[in-house]
Amino acid sequence: GAVVSQHPSRVICKSGTSVKIECRSLDFQATTMFWYRQFPKQSLMLMATSNEGSKATYEQGVEKDKFLINHASLTLSTLTVTSAHPEDSSFYICSARDHTGRYMNTEAFFGQGTRLTVV
Amino acid sequence: GQNIDQPTEMTATEGAIVQINCTYQTSGFNGLFWYQQHAGEAPTFLSYNVLDGLEEKGRFSSFLSRSKGYSYLLLKELQMKDSASYLCAVRDRGGYNTDKLIFGTGTRLQVFP
Repeated sequence: GAVVSQHPSRVICKSGTSVKIECRSLDFQATTMFWYRQFPKQSLMLMATSNEGSKATYEQGVEKDKFLINHASLTLSTLTVTSAHPEDSSFYICSARDHTGRYMNTEAFFGQGTRLTVV
Repeated sequence: GQNIDQPTEMTATEGAIVQINCTYQTSGFNGLFWYQQHAGEAPTFLSYNVLDGLEEKGRFSSFLSRSKGYSYLLLKELQMKDSASYLCAVRDRGGYNTDKLIFGTGTRLQVFP
């Protein structure tokens, strides 16, 4: 399958600082990327849908000013957690969909995830 | 609205067969996925159903009934490494480039020797 690379895999930051997480599609063009958050022993909750060249669509209850998403190219989307607090500590996962080429939109490919701990 | 239900936990014995059920309600169904997720890792794709019927892939099979809003994942010849969470996800149609995956709560499967 296709490869989606997410970086960093783990990050610890101080409360009040900002953290940027990158999601890259390595061998296909990802016109759409998705950002999820997962708390321990819970399922993935969709935070936002990111379309290349346009504003992200946020799910209900997700603060767009706190979770800034940028999808400036067909291979890169970034999620910035601004003014992080301990309650933002979670596992953040991106996925990318290939609308053109080999994979023909039959599955979304996931990054490795980022474990964010805010102290 | 959207609603996807799975059992929270299941246990089974090595070598046995286990069936994990998933029921869903969604306004714009456009396919159902099953993923496996080990603790602390990202989900990995197992299967995809968009038409009614059974899809078989090695030890894993997935079934879909769109009229009943029902799917199951069947795991045969269970191995210890199959201990993981299994996530049912429905793709909700929202137009081109706006389809999104909605995940169920996940089923934690524990395989015992």
